[in-house]
Amino acid sequence: SAVISQKPSRDICQRGTSLTIQCQVDSQVTMMFWYRQQPGQSLTLIATANQGSEATYESGFVIDKFPISRPNLTFSTLTVSNMSPEDSSIYLCSVEGERGRQETQYFGPGTRLLVL
Amino acid sequence: GNSVTQMEGPVTLSEEAFLTINCTYTATGYPSLFWYVQYPGEGLQLLLKATKADDKGSNKGFEATYRKETTSFHLEKGSVQVSDSAVYFCALTTFSGGSNYKLTFGKGTLLTVNP
Repeated sequence: SAVISQKPSRDICQRGTSLTIQCQVDSQVTMMFWYRQQPGQSLTLIATANQGSEATYESGFVIDKFPISRPNLTFSTLTVSNMSPEDSSIYLCSVEGERGRQETQYFGPGTRLLVL
Repeated sequence: GNSVTQMEGPVTLSEEAFLTINCTYTATGYPSLFWYVQYPGEGLQLLLKATKADDKGSNKGFEATYRKETTSFHLEKGSVQVSDSAVYFCALTTFSGGSNYKLTFGKGTLLTVNP
């Protein structure tokens, strides 16, 4: 399976600021995904990022709040904009499995964000 | 739409006890089923999976069998260890067009194993 890293691993931010989270994969992948895990909750898909096209956002998530870049097949960023304490969560990126096993997703270690 | 319902936690067991975490699902089409584990302070790791009916996924002593007739994928382990303490998520994917598989998670079950 792919090796996925995220930066930063954690951060504490002030409300009204923005944070950009990076996700790096050690192999080329078509689909990357961004999830939010609020404290004590399950994972919620924010958006799907396909290289070379606009990200596709799930209901309740908008590009102005969570802009995503996908400049190549091994990298993506998620920005959390104009943060409020309600944005305090773990943000995880994932990638689909290799050809023939795309139904499986592999996750990065997550970015733990606390907004004060 | 797709949904996953898993056993409410928390679950507290003594070391070497038998573990079952129930998971049932509702899905259109033919889903693939997964168990992911999240150890304290870490991201999600794939624990096991099954992609078709009657398949059994297994890893690290954990097992789960894809039961289409009961739409279930219960997680079991014969003898748990303290190191198994974590949150366990049941999940499924179905093909949603293009080349995109959408992953739907259950709410997670916190397992604590005491020595």
